Amino acid sequence: AQSVTQLGSHVSVSEGALVLLRCNYSSSVPPYLFWYVQYPNQGLQLLLKYTTGATLVKGINGFEAEFKKSETSFHLTKPSAHMSDAAEYFCAVIAGGYQKVTFGTGTKLQVIP
Amino acid sequence: KAGVTQTPRYLIKTRGQQVTLSCSPISGHRSVSWYQQTPGQGLQFLFEYFSETQRNKGNFPGRFSGRQFSNSRSEMNVSTLELGDSALYLCASSPTRDRGYNEQFFGPGTRLTVL
Repeated sequence: AQSVTQLGSHVSVSEGALVLLRCNYSSSVPPYLFWYVQYPNQGLQLLLKYTTGATLVKGINGFEAEFKKSETSFHLTKPSAHMSDAAEYFCAVIAGGYQKVTFGTGTKLQVIP
Repeated sequence: KAGVTQTPRYLIKTRGQQVTLSCSPISGHRSVSWYQQTPGQGLQFLFEYFSETQRNKGNFPGRFSGRQFSNSRSEMNVSTLELGDSALYLCASSPTRDRGYNEQFFGPGTRLTVL
């Protein structure tokens, strides 16, 4: 079975500050990991993904995440927050080679001017 | 290339009624998945269709059903609506259903409100 835990349902940062959104996963097989962003009244947009290979993954809008197998983590970071980053972020995992995606409960990011 | 489209975008129904939601995947995509998003339960997988066959199913009651047509368009149906069915229903399409990773592209969702 696979699962995802996102620490912190709400995170507030100041504009220009570091963004760190935490995600830990559980999977009995090598996972594929994702971060999605959802803006109000919209669907999900893929930010970045880890499948195999390099453990530091760069995505869109300046976000990146590092896959750490020993810590079973896939935290999302961005060096400098922008007002437009305010949204809800979901960590997700696919394990076992199917399209059944398990999502975390989401983290709402607030950016304070 | 047009993205995933879902119709209608908003829907209001009353308890006991049934509802049908539609999803048109990106051209060439053969896999369609459905998700329910609620504030309390978050995003939960409903089912996935590939080539008109349901290949994966989440943990939802039989009131929730779906189908896929030969052109890959998909519909999901909820019968005997309950208040708890109020949610954003998201559809996602993927290009193939090979074993392993297939990126999913999400539509904007249908907001269902049950009164």
